[in-house]
Amino acid sequence: DIVMTQSPDSLAVSLGERATINCKSSQSLIYGSNNDNYLLWFQQKPGQPPKLLISWASTRESGVPDRFSGSGSGTDFTLTISSLQAEDVAVYYCQHFYGPPYSFGQGTKLEIK
Amino acid sequence: QVQLQESGPGLVKPSETLSLTCTVSGGSISGSYWSWTRQPPGKGLEWVGHIYYTGTAYYQTSLKSRLTISLDTSKNQISLKLSSVTDADTAVYYCAKVSPSGVAEHWGQGTLVTVFS
Repeated sequence: DIVMTQSPDSLAVSLGERATINCKSSQSLIYGSNNDNYLLWFQQKPGQPPKLLISWASTRESGVPDRFSGSGSGTDFTLTISSLQAEDVAVYYCQHFYGPPYSFGQGTKLEIK
Repeated sequence: QVQLQESGPGLVKPSETLSLTCTVSGGSISGSYWSWTRQPPGKGLEWVGHIYYTGTAYYQTSLKSRLTISLDTSKNQISLKLSSVTDADTAVYYCAKVSPSGVAEHWGQGTLVTVFS
């Protein structure tokens, strides 16, 4: 089974500053002739289900603000929030969908400094 | 826009079987893919399992011996059955619609199940 490891476990960033969350997989998530990376990023706020932010490691979902971006390839991935807003306080999870079982990272709690 | 609603008993006794239903509205479950994910209180997300519209299911390795996910196309529902539950199975259980490539795009609000004697 693929193991997903996020860092850090928690992060405090000032409003307007950049937040960076890392995700590492135990094996490459590249598959197919297009070298697609089977990696997702979710945002979860208290009492709510996860919300899909980014798929294929770097494709922002419709309606997701452009301050959110995903990067990386293979085994190392990053979610970046370019200018932190108050509404971005949440727990962020990466998940691979390379093939079942589709494991999640342990989550990164993002707070305002 | 498809909507998903999880339902089931909020309390289950240890060693019994946890049974949940995900009712889908705004679309048919036929031709689509569906998943269950759970989240123990205050903890992270754990992928539970995945079922294709063909009925083929894939399960979390640690739950495989106790878990069954199935489809009821007549009721437009996806069901989850987890046997021999313990305290460790206490969690919010979410169902989601999954794209053919495996992306969980639409989620239900989740239902809390507490294993409690």
